[in-house]
Amino acid sequence: QQPVQSPQAVILREGEDAVINCSSSKALYSVHWYRQKHGEAPVFLMILLKGGEQKGHEKISASFNEKKQQSSLYLTASQLSYSGTYFCGTAYGGATNKLIFGTGTLLAVQP
Amino acid sequence: EPEVTQTPSHQVTQMGQEVILRCVPISNHLYFYWYRQILGQKVEFLVSFYNNEISEKSEIFDDQFSVERPDGSNFTLKIRSTKLEDSAMYFCASMGTGGGALHFGNGTRLTVT
Repeated sequence: QQPVQSPQAVILREGEDAVINCSSSKALYSVHWYRQKHGEAPVFLMILLKGGEQKGHEKISASFNEKKQQSSLYLTASQLSYSGTYFCGTAYGGATNKLIFGTGTLLAVQP
Repeated sequence: EPEVTQTPSHQVTQMGQEVILRCVPISNHLYFYWYRQILGQKVEFLVSFYNNEISEKSEIFDDQFSVERPDGSNFTLKIRSTKLEDSAMYFCASMGTGGGALHFGNGTRLTVT
């Protein structure tokens, strides 16, 4: 049931783009994306509901492919502040059900 | 912006001792959760709580764990007899009615020696 994230780690230079993927073997109700900096709590980025919508948050956007039960997070023109570990959290069956988090993708943006 | 607060930020305890981790969720939220994160690993679900009862719990949440909402604001996680493998960061989170973002507290780092 745990979603699978890829890649495990990404190293970028400032200004480069990255894509992080999250896939589930089970039908999803929603996908959440969070960023966690070292020693801090995960911070909410965005939520996508089934229906294939795409959302944006500054230069970070995401899509949800309901047919494939996959979500992708797009980071464009990355900044140093984007560094951290990105987790997708998947909900099954309802909006307030528990989130199951993926194993995370470590993103390091270098100057 | 309202936030979830957790105390203490760091707790050191000896194996076999009881610990209580405390959380004050966002005031108008009705859904509460505890997660834990072993250093460098993923965030793992422990338990969800709604309407003064447990909605769901994971395999990790065995008889040594319990949760309580003793009053209108606090939400606690008790570990009755701590083990070395309970050492982790414990996050409390809350969610508003209808779903939406899961708001995390800053966590309690539990170290069992």
